[in-house]
Amino acid sequence: QKEVEQNSGPLSVPEGAIASLNCTYSDRVSQSFFWYRQYSGKSPELIMSIYSNGDKEDGRFTAQLNKASQYVSLLIRDSQPSDSATYLCAVSSGTASKLTFGTGTRLQVTL
Amino acid sequence: NAGVMQNPRHLVRRRGQEARLRCSPVKGHSHVYWYRQLPEEGLKFMVYLQKENIIDESGMPKERFSAEFPKEGPSILRIQQVVRGDSAAYFCASSRSGGSGANVLTFGAGSRLTVL
Repeated sequence: QKEVEQNSGPLSVPEGAIASLNCTYSDRVSQSFFWYRQYSGKSPELIMSIYSNGDKEDGRFTAQLNKASQYVSLLIRDSQPSDSATYLCAVSSGTASKLTFGTGTRLQVTL
Repeated sequence: NAGVMQNPRHLVRRRGQEARLRCSPVKGHSHVYWYRQLPEEGLKFMVYLQKENIIDESGMPKERFSAEFPKEGPSILRIQQVVRGDSAAYFCASSRSGGSGANVLTFGAGSRLTVL
């Protein structure tokens, strides 16, 4: 079982719709959760971080964390073509400083 | 530019040669991480360093790979006797501190290694 799992996609949503990206993780002691966006050929950039159960909103982005289900998601409202990218879920466990990444979900926002 | 600086951005080596990738962290950051990304795959942790110390190298191949972060100068990832399977994008990231909950990493633009 992979430590951090994501559906590779592509996930295709029309412009203006809500994109829902999901991630599950296997290490129950995981404490910090991150969503990074990576455009093709570019470096990952941090979109959201979440540390406690519930929702965290930042502009059009909402991260949701459910530690009991070992599940973290990212919602993108009013999706724009510029949101088309690969979204990487990353998890940090306990006192570890390294992040474990999923393989990413490729999002395509269509006109 | 106060971001993570990596060079070279692109590097071509023949099998058996050495590759050296350099990373200067964000000013004020003393923690550096190296990740490797193979085509169509996620980022794989390689090594975590603090100034002059390797903290976690659990993701580093046992042979041919080494990393350092000297007191002065950039962090260097060194790959000796490269093979085609080493072709990948190597990303460096830095953070201000390394404790749990403070792992907000800033990534550099990456160094893309091609081994012929």
